[in-house]
Amino acid sequence: GQNIDQPTEMTATEGAIVQINCTYQTSGFNGLFWYQQHAGEAPTFLSYNVLDGLEEKGRFSSFLSRSKGYSYLLLKELQMKDSASYLCAAIDSNYQLIWGAGTKLIIKP
Amino acid sequence: GAVVSQHPSWVICKSGTSVKIECRSLDFQATTMFWYRQFPKQSLMLMATSNEGSKATYEQGVEKDKFLINHASLTLSTLTVTSAHPEDSSFYICSARSGIYDTEAFFGQGTRLTVV
Repeated sequence: GQNIDQPTEMTATEGAIVQINCTYQTSGFNGLFWYQQHAGEAPTFLSYNVLDGLEEKGRFSSFLSRSKGYSYLLLKELQMKDSASYLCAAIDSNYQLIWGAGTKLIIKP
Repeated sequence: GAVVSQHPSWVICKSGTSVKIECRSLDFQATTMFWYRQFPKQSLMLMATSNEGSKATYEQGVEKDKFLINHASLTLSTLTVTSAHPEDSSFYICSARSGIYDTEAFFGQGTRLTVV
């Protein structure tokens, strides 16, 4: 079956760095998304990776290893507003999005 | 990025009534729209996929007669929750892509439905 695994919850300190991991098993693969979702709001797009390697966008970076079925989202210089759920989603061979359950990130002062 | 507008943002309705949620793509033509439901502290659950001009494809376990989806134009899809019950209370989100091979999905703001 198709499956996305990511930690349920993580806690980090303001100003620090946190890495949120995601492993996936899909029928075919056409890329992986990371989305940020604040409570009661719709997800907002953070990144898309389809090739191996690290993509950096400001304080956020996303990494993909297709051979390992693994991705991570790296958040630097954490701010209180980064407290949110972070959703990992992979695109399968039918171009359907397979969603993880999300990682709730709690930022402490 | 492209804009998807979802309306209403929140609605409270009585048990047994029907509620319609609209999802519009404002600056692109959405050939494919997706309807999700999200319960508290859970991920998005795909309910159905709709392609303009054709019947929606429902995920297993989703009652198509209860959750009516219409995608009559390239910019509008609607989800009607018929005979709503308290267990239908949830956060409903639509997303749209301009084509099935498009990788990015654009989300509406979501609709918080509370059935009392």
